[in-house]
Amino acid sequence: SYVLTQPPSVSVAPGQTARLTCGGNNIRSKSVHWYQQRPGQAPVLVVYNDNGRPSGIPERFSGSNSGNTATLTISRVEAGDEADFYCQVWEASNDHWVFGGGTKLTVL
Amino acid sequence: QVRLVESGGGVVQPGRSLRLSCAASGFTFSTYAIHWVRQAPGKGLEWVAVLSDDGSIKYYADSVKGRFTISRDNSKNTLYLQMNSLRPEDTAVYYCAREGLNAYYSDYWGQGTLVTVSS
Repeated sequence: SYVLTQPPSVSVAPGQTARLTCGGNNIRSKSVHWYQQRPGQAPVLVVYNDNGRPSGIPERFSGSNSGNTATLTISRVEAGDEADFYCQVWEASNDHWVFGGGTKLTVL
Repeated sequence: QVRLVESGGGVVQPGRSLRLSCAASGFTFSTYAIHWVRQAPGKGLEWVAVLSDDGSIKYYADSVKGRFTISRDNSKNTLYLQMNSLRPEDTAVYYCAREGLNAYYSDYWGQGTLVTVSS
């Protein structure tokens, strides 16, 4: 089955740019979605279909997908952005969702 | 507004059964596929199962296939997850998640219900 690989943690200072990666074999051929999960809360969709942004999500959140790596970029990071982030794709061969292991974003 | 509310979680002994419910409101329930996704304590998200809008198509993760059954009652705007032969590794918060129309991601999640499998 398809595997998504995320770094366990990323740290960034306030006001800087955070880049969270999601690796997968030829992931560029898939649509990648990203969720933010704050402690004790349910996940929230922040990017869909590689680079779409749901209503209500700040423009600071953007996505890209190329080769074997998809990236969620958070510009001008704020303390409130601190959370776990998960990438997700749909595996067409068996109609399953696949999640990456998640990245904990720490704002220093 | 869209709302998904899970219920039915609790503490259960290994080998026993439990049924979770997901009550939906604020949208036309019968139009959407709905997923169950779980999260073990301190761990990441794990997809569990999906059921199509009319209940005719369902898929399961290998880890629960043959033990869990997903179903829905569109007249009651409710999704279910019947969990049999529970194991300690099934301990998790279980979320229901609405799949976006013509999409392969979730646009709304419930707050989850905790299932603890322990003797």
